[in-house]
Amino acid sequence: KNQVEQSPQSLIILEGKNCTLQCNYTVSPFSNLRWYKQDTGRGPVSLTIMTFSENTKSNGRYTATLDADTKQSSLHITASQLSDSASYICVVSEASGGSYIPTFGRGTSLIVHP
Amino acid sequence: DAGVIQSPRHEVTEMGQEVTLRCKPISGHNSLFWYRQTMMRGLELLIYFNNNVPIDDSGMPEDRFSAKMPNASFSTLKIQPSEPRDSAVYFCASRSGTGDSWDQPQHFGDGTRLSIL
Repeated sequence: KNQVEQSPQSLIILEGKNCTLQCNYTVSPFSNLRWYKQDTGRGPVSLTIMTFSENTKSNGRYTATLDADTKQSSLHITASQLSDSASYICVVSEASGGSYIPTFGRGTSLIVHP
Repeated sequence: DAGVIQSPRHEVTEMGQEVTLRCKPISGHNSLFWYRQTMMRGLELLIYFNNNVPIDDSGMPEDRFSAKMPNASFSTLKIQPSEPRDSAVYFCASRSGTGDSWDQPQHFGDGTRLSIL
């Protein structure tokens, strides 16, 4: 069964510090991996997408990495801001003849304190 | 540019009642998705449509749940009869392209928070 495991479940850091969120998956065959940010009371917003051939991709202070061999991804946040407080969800899609089959992680809840 | 619009934002009703959630996707998007989010299970894909046609409804939990997309600009998710365990936040998302359009992100609405008493 396809699974996406995220760690830690929750994280509290001080403003200005860096942090790294982890995502391990067993989805196969792999199509792509997305990181979403979900603010409280809002819908998720896509931060970045990784395909099989990509090792790293940045979006401002967010940098995602992908190791397709070990089936691991990470999301690194640099110089955190209060607005980074949110849930970060890893979503891995399975390639299936044109169909869309996503598997969702349960998210990491990040709290940034001043 | 308007995003995905969901209504109502909040719904509180008694068990056994019919509940209808509504979604207006982003104009021009031809894929639409319904999700349910709970603390215990996270986000779960219920059903998705391509060009108004249901493609995969394997995530729909029971026959009490049904979804329709009568045209490109409107979709509904209906629960009849509702039960307390249906309490969750229901999200609608849309995306341009169909199938495994991996290069296009889904755009989510802000959800409907449903409470069944």
